[in-house]
Amino acid sequence: DTAVSQTPKYLVTQMGNDKSIKCEQNLGHDTMYWYKQDSKKFLKIMFSYNNKELIINETVPNRFSPKSPDKAHLNLHINSLELGDSAVYFCASSHTGTGNTIYFGEGSWLTVV
Amino acid sequence: GENVEQHPSTLSVQEGDSAVIKCTYSDSASNYFPWYKQELGKRPQLIIDIRSNVGEKKDQRIAVTLNKTAKHFSLHITETQPEDSAVYFCAASPFYGNNRLAFGKGNQVVVIP
Repeated sequence: DTAVSQTPKYLVTQMGNDKSIKCEQNLGHDTMYWYKQDSKKFLKIMFSYNNKELIINETVPNRFSPKSPDKAHLNLHINSLELGDSAVYFCASSHTGTGNTIYFGEGSWLTVV
Repeated sequence: GENVEQHPSTLSVQEGDSAVIKCTYSDSASNYFPWYKQELGKRPQLIIDIRSNVGEKKDQRIAVTLNKTAKHFSLHITETQPEDSAVYFCAASPFYGNNRLAFGKGNQVVVIP
């Protein structure tokens, strides 16, 4: 019974394509995130939504557009993919007021060729 | 915003020895400090956390200590085992707030059998 699930797990695509990664959490959390982990293993926050509202929007190219249809889902759409977008993208969730403990999904390995 | 520094970046220890990873943070308002473990190819998972009203917390072979005056906290792993080999991330945030958890850059721990 996966708490934070994201699909697809692996994605290989050509430069210039548009792709989406979906995320769902069944923990009843009110906040969801997208993190990017590059080859050096740095965990960099990209976006955060609280009750479907964008609250953190780090310096990310506007080719990346998150969408939260409800507080259990946060999808990430990427336009015009570039080689530098290759990374692991982690979805995560937390509940406000519980010490910000973040629960991560399994990750989506994106390779742009 | 919060800046978390983590060192050393890589640590090799003999099986059975202890490992210590240190982190420093910049924002005196931070009062929640979790540690995440990420095994190769897997997601980061919370292993232990500490709040600023506590100086030390233990859970079996792992412990975390916090020095609020010096703004640093450490993870201690005793009797290391091969399965402790992973990347460890420290993080810091206000306990309540905008859910902005600042991660360190990670520390690769290698336990040599």
